[in-house]
Amino acid sequence: GAGVSQSPSNKVTEKGKDVELRCDPISGHTALYWYRQSLGQGLEFLIYFQGNSAPDKSGLPSDRFSAERTGGSVSTLTIQRTQQEDSAVYLCASSTRQGVSTEAFFGQGTRLTVV
Amino acid sequence: AQSVTQLDSQVPVFEEAPVELRCNYSSSVSVYLFWYVQYPNQGLQLLLKYLSGSTLVESINGFEAEFNKSQTSFHLRKPSVHISDTAEYFCAVSRGGGFKTIFGAGTRLFVKA
Repeated sequence: GAGVSQSPSNKVTEKGKDVELRCDPISGHTALYWYRQSLGQGLEFLIYFQGNSAPDKSGLPSDRFSAERTGGSVSTLTIQRTQQEDSAVYLCASSTRQGVSTEAFFGQGTRLTVV
Repeated sequence: AQSVTQLDSQVPVFEEAPVELRCNYSSSVSVYLFWYVQYPNQGLQLLLKYLSGSTLVESINGFEAEFNKSQTSFHLRKPSVHISDTAEYFCAVSRGGGFKTIFGAGTRLFVKA
């Protein structure tokens, strides 16, 4: 696609429910990132996928968080048993491995509200 | 391991005043440096980048950043800010293709009339 697409744009869920957030990266981009941006906070790195390599999960805050990337393209971030502190904007970004530019292109984010 | 430090979480400034947003990085290898901007209620977008060559890079809206290898810095400057520059600014560092880009925590620039 023309840009990184995230869905849904907004999600309200009840505490304790599971949620899935989707990211469609730019076609051909091998790198995909998930970040979390809480109100008034900066970017919190969650997970990084690069091609067929094992993902860098070092930023996942707890085992309630997981992510997968199918076929090297679409990625899903799953949050199980959501808590109110999970409320944030979840951002996805992708970049190409080709060359040195490695500019990251960001989606518009999914605003998650846990009530 | 690489890291990025943005020394100021918030920078309030009056319109038409100069501003500097500070960014320092640590890396044992050569890096590429980026500034991203996030306007209110919008996604992040690239503002400018340093890859090689001239250490001074500029954006289309009057911002500039200078790569200083000896001080491991990539500070962002603008000689005269506008209300529309109010946004959050993120510094980032990368080793290049195949390696994770590391982002700083961000600096919120608030331009007052």
